[in-house]
Amino acid sequence: QVQLQESGPGLVKPSETLSLTCAVSGDSIGSGYYWGWIRQPPGKGLEWIGSIYHTGGTYYNPSLKSRVTISVDTSKKKFSLKLTSVTAADTAAYFCARVGSWGSVEPWGQGTLVTVSS
Amino acid sequence: QSALTQPPSASGSPGQSVTISCTGTSSDVGYYNHVSWYQQHPGKAPKVMIYEVNKRPSGVPDRFSGSKSGNTASLTVSGLQAEDEADYFCSSYAGSNNVVFGGGTKLTVL
Repeated sequence: QVQLQESGPGLVKPSETLSLTCAVSGDSIGSGYYWGWIRQPPGKGLEWIGSIYHTGGTYYNPSLKSRVTISVDTSKKKFSLKLTSVTAADTAAYFCARVGSWGSVEPWGQGTLVTVSS
Repeated sequence: QSALTQPPSASGSPGQSVTISCTGTSSDVGYYNHVSWYQQHPGKAPKVMIYEVNKRPSGVPDRFSGSKSGNTASLTVSGLQAEDEADYFCSSYAGSNNVVFGGGTKLTVL
């Protein structure tokens, strides 16, 4: 059974960089799936951030592309998200997930709330 | 890429059927047969209920079904049960390994 678990700071100051890591268990990161990040502002809908393939190929939401970096460490079975120059609008629950070739997302991590505030 | 359009709310009584729509464009929903639907209970992670427009993952009740016509996809929940009360989000593949989500629909079982 594939499980994903996000970790990282729950509070980030404005203009700083948000950094999160997702640990994967029950599957190999090289299994042919993509590995993605999705966020959900409090009380709002889901927003696709981007994904990475085990070979390192990355794919980002055009609206966030200038601030996002997703990386993978296959040996540690982890992948990571960095979002630079954060503002209050980046406050959200951040989910990591396994993504199929055509964008179906399952399973999801439990999510971690990141608040941007001074 | 713009978010897909969903009604903010839907409701039905136990045993009834309810349909939730998801409208995109000819670049996402209308072009690709890769629409998914997710159920999210409060404080929980989303769970896929439908993928590739009308396919159900193992373990999802057959009360859940999906369809698509043109730029609009739909999720139908038949025989509504109390545990179906949740938020539902649609998503579509949008090309170049990008995905676009809908704004979500809160389903209330009356």
